[in-house]
Amino acid sequence: QSVLTQPPSVSGAPGQRVTISCTGSSSNIGAGYDVHWYQQLPGTAPKLLIYGNSNRPSGVPDRFSGSKSGTSASLAITGIQAEDEADYYCQSYDSNLSGYVFGAGTKVSV
Amino acid sequence: QVQLQESGPGLVKPSETLSLTCSVSGGSISHFYWNWIRQAPGKGLEWMGYIYYTGSTNYNPSLKSRVTISVDTSKNQFSLRLSSVTAADTAVYYCATLGPSVYWGQGSLVTVS
Repeated sequence: QSVLTQPPSVSGAPGQRVTISCTGSSSNIGAGYDVHWYQQLPGTAPKLLIYGNSNRPSGVPDRFSGSKSGTSASLAITGIQAEDEADYYCQSYDSNLSGYVFGAGTKVSV
Repeated sequence: QVQLQESGPGLVKPSETLSLTCSVSGGSISHFYWNWIRQAPGKGLEWMGYIYYTGSTNYNPSLKSRVTISVDTSKNQFSLRLSSVTAADTAVYYCATLGPSVYWGQGSLVTVS
């Protein structure tokens, strides 16, 4: 059971907006620790999609956006495309663990 | 741009010790916390532990009795040792920094058989 909770799957038609939630607690997201989001295509390493809750690295399309509020964070894909089919993971730091934590991952289908 | 590269044996026998090294280039190891993460086939990401360049470590409680992470600042490398491995330890092992700057290696598949 992951410290950060994500839905196992989400789906959307091409062009639609989909969101993935990441729910934590007062010892991680709620404590103010940053949330990062990763995209993982089959057989590849996770790719950083959003860092520091809402920042996109260079090269990441602006249809990806991140937000954080209270003990939760969200990743939104606006105008989803077929190439966005992948697994998505959220990650933060947990003060109880004194270590890093991941969500279990969300499979996005288009 | 910091780059990380994992290296080590791809096959380890049950009950033996898995050893991997992560080489850091494009930056000094005397910054950041250096982590090991693994991903079993078809499963999610599991944080294993981290080390700071001073040698300070912290491990995932679920693995603490079997994991050792060490650092060699002269070589800009850090290493993972996982003892008493079983088939359940078969996974892709990644080295990475997880914040505030985030960098990942490409991963190294280790099979226990």
